[in-house]
Amino acid sequence: GAVVSQHPSWVICKSGTSVKIECRSLDFQATTMFWYRQFPKQSLMLMATSNEGSKATYEQGVEKDKFLINHASLTLSTLTVTSAHPEDSSFYICSASEVAGDYNEQFFGPGTRLTVL
Amino acid sequence: GQNIDQPTEMTATEGAIVQINCTYQTSGFNGLFWYQQHAGEAPTFLSYNVLDGLEEKGRFSSFLSRSKGYSYLLLKELQMKDSASYLCAVSDSNYQLIWGAGTKLIIKP
Repeated sequence: GAVVSQHPSWVICKSGTSVKIECRSLDFQATTMFWYRQFPKQSLMLMATSNEGSKATYEQGVEKDKFLINHASLTLSTLTVTSAHPEDSSFYICSASEVAGDYNEQFFGPGTRLTVL
Repeated sequence: GQNIDQPTEMTATEGAIVQINCTYQTSGFNGLFWYQQHAGEAPTFLSYNVLDGLEEKGRFSSFLSRSKGYSYLLLKELQMKDSASYLCAVSDSNYQLIWGAGTKLIIKP
């Protein structure tokens, strides 16, 4: 099956620093990648959608200058949390979509747990 | 607005059957997904329904009624490892997934 990896799986950083999270589709080409954030005991919240080679589309309320998304190739997307603050501590999950038939099924990465001190 | 409703929490007994319901109101419909998510892990795909009816896959089955905006996930022969959150998600007219808040399923021995 389609495999998506994320790196790092967890990260602890100081307030004010920037953190980069990588999302890779290992055995397929991802036409679209999605970035989610999940706070404890809450559902997934879509942050942004990115297509290879174009700018990401951010959901309402998500600061694009704070959460930088780069989708440079069909197998790699990165999310950079700039000037991280404790309220950015969350579980960040990426997913990748490969058009299959008439629907897009998203394959999820294992997630990255970010803790900002 | 777009809305997905599912119960917050359910409890069932090991070996029994449980049905998790999901109702939705979305702009367009391109399929409904069920995902399983264990605590601290990413969701894993369980099922996809785009036509009305029942899809069976081992111990898990998923049902869809598009006219009623309704789906359910049926889990048979429950095992302790089935304790997890079950997320219902609908693909709307733009193929964007609209997520429910998830149903936490607690399995008791």
